[in-house]
Amino acid sequence: DTGVSQDPRHKITKRGQNVTFRCDPISEHNRLYWYRQTLGQGPEFLTYFQNEAQLEKSRLLSDRFSAERPKGSFSTLEIQRTEQGDSAMYLCASSEPGLGKETQYFGPGTRLLVL
Amino acid sequence: AQTVTQSQPEMSVQEAETVTLSCTYDTSESDYYLFWYKQPPSRQMILVIRQEAYKQQNATENRFSVNFQKAAKSFSLKISDSQLGDAAMYFCALNNAGNMLTFGGGTRLMVKP
Repeated sequence: DTGVSQDPRHKITKRGQNVTFRCDPISEHNRLYWYRQTLGQGPEFLTYFQNEAQLEKSRLLSDRFSAERPKGSFSTLEIQRTEQGDSAMYLCASSEPGLGKETQYFGPGTRLLVL
Repeated sequence: AQTVTQSQPEMSVQEAETVTLSCTYDTSESDYYLFWYKQPPSRQMILVIRQEAYKQQNATENRFSVNFQKAAKSFSLKISDSQLGDAAMYFCALNNAGNMLTFGGGTRLMVKP
């Protein structure tokens, strides 16, 4: 059973550019979550999907951020017009349906640096 | 709103000794789940142990065990026979609706040989 994978692992971009990250959850996990983690801090929730439906979004998710999970499998997180404050680790996690939905398994993250 | 607090930014333990990491939380829910995650330097977050709030028995996973005090809203992690590979950031997290995890600020554990 392969774990959660994320691509790319690192991204350096210039301020104002758009970036897109991809997350592939553990197969058969119907819930997928995005978190942001800044250096030395705990992760903060951004949004989550159950299948293809986006069920909750944090107020941290400004209108420059958009997430999709079109076929209920992989998900993308896009940041438009990046700002230096967007520099962080973006973590994806997934959980299985039913009784195990509370336990989330994390991917390796995408580290974003905005210059 | 739910909150998780880890009051120890850094902890140090001698190899083979025992160390306890503290965590307190606040939630208005009666049904929730608590977790400890380990994040080694530049590596991904790994689940260490989970505790269901409705269970009175403290969870254990090999050298890792928790002390869950529901009334005090306390959830500490005990690591026995510490190993060099235990060195990492440890995060306490709360999930009360099967949705988002709320994390504490983390405790950096150093293991001295």
